[in-house]
Amino acid sequence: AQSVTQPDIHITVSEGASLELRCNYSYGATPYLFWYVQSPGQGLQLLLKYFSGDTLVQGIKGFEAEFKRSQSSFNLRKPSVHWSDAAEYFCAVGGTSGYNKLIFGAGTRLAVHP
Amino acid sequence: NAGVTQTPKFQVLKTGQSMTLQCAQDMNHEYMSWYRQDPGMGLRLIHYSVGAGITDQGEVPNGYNVSRSTTEDFPLRLLSAAPSQTSVYFCASRGPGQGAYEQYFGPGTRLTVT
Repeated sequence: AQSVTQPDIHITVSEGASLELRCNYSYGATPYLFWYVQSPGQGLQLLLKYFSGDTLVQGIKGFEAEFKRSQSSFNLRKPSVHWSDAAEYFCAVGGTSGYNKLIFGAGTRLAVHP
Repeated sequence: NAGVTQTPKFQVLKTGQSMTLQCAQDMNHEYMSWYRQDPGMGLRLIHYSVGAGITDQGEVPNGYNVSRSTTEDFPLRLLSAAPSQTSVYFCASRGPGQGAYEQYFGPGTRLTVT
């Protein structure tokens, strides 16, 4: 079955520290992979996406993610976290043909200490 | 462009009442979707549409109805509200093709059923 697992429900980091949010997926074929961010009371905004090619993708707000096919992972990273990065982050996987039904992980809530 | 708009932002219903959540997009996107977001469960697909006059069920369609008479609008109807439908509802849209797999999300409707 297709699924996305985000092992960490909550993560707290200090401002300026590095960040890695984990995402593992189960999918029958080569997937399209996404990271979305949701600020409190807001909708979801796309941070970055992977379709093919270079396995290290850059996104907005200084985020990057690396696709590792052998580990079925698509972890999100940021070298130095800012207080404004406090939000909930969702990993999602979609198909490569037809309508892209996105399957979302349960999310990781990030808190940033000053 | 306003992007994806949703109304209302908040709604309280009594069990058994019906209502329609409105969703509109001004990007001429073919694909539109409705998701519900519940704590610890990420976003789950309720219904989606690949164009005017075409709709299909997602992961959790029971208790909801949709229609797509125009490209712009994709309303979600709750036929007889139940407390289990208390959730935050997001509408999303995207254009066709590989390059347009980014989904654009509305700001959400927070629904409480008592």
